[in-house]
Amino acid sequence: DSGVTQTPKHLITATGQRVTLRCSPRSGDLSVYWYQQSLDQGLQFLIQYYNGEERAKGNILERFSAQQFPDLHSELNLSSLELGDSALYFCASSLDLLSTDTQYFGPGTRLTVL
Amino acid sequence: AQKVTQAQTEISVVEKEDVTLDCVYETRDTTYYLFWYKQPPSGELVFLIRRNSFDEQNEISGRYSWNFQKSTSSFNFTITASQVVDSAVYFCALSEDNYGQNFVFGPGTRLSVLP
Repeated sequence: DSGVTQTPKHLITATGQRVTLRCSPRSGDLSVYWYQQSLDQGLQFLIQYYNGEERAKGNILERFSAQQFPDLHSELNLSSLELGDSALYFCASSLDLLSTDTQYFGPGTRLTVL
Repeated sequence: AQKVTQAQTEISVVEKEDVTLDCVYETRDTTYYLFWYKQPPSGELVFLIRRNSFDEQNEISGRYSWNFQKSTSSFNFTITASQVVDSAVYFCALSEDNYGQNFVFGPGTRLSVLP
């Protein structure tokens, strides 16, 4: 158990809908990262937050947004869903931004868009 | 643009063999970070290592070792005396900075360790 939790584990929804994925980092970790893994695109980095602030943006679509709250949990919001958004979404956390920091991954949320 | 190539799509070895997974990267930055991740059949991702471009020392962690060579833009991963539990997809990745700017993953190498 990495200590990172993600809810829900599975999500099935329809095109055009909006969903929210939630991530709780390990206790004490200040950085949260979001990744997407799909059959078409492989693994992609989406976005990173550190202590509530966005620090890096990857291949995150404009239809997607994220935030990190004062209690350090993070939410990834996906709107106007398309079939191609079906993927496994991983959250990871790390203590800080130091180059020696280990990242810990949650189990992922599997999103299926029908 | 940054790019990571893992030319080996799939590798099969017999338990106790040593195996090296290749990773070749492209970047114009002088400062960058390299990563390896493991994804076992259960599906979770496991962080293995992060190395910055200024640290060319090879790293060893148990049966795992990493060979970073700037001259050939490679960051290869070797598993010594492989075990069935090492069966997984291994991803190499490159980032412009420690925050994940211009972060790119390689396509992954599927390693099967046969008993």
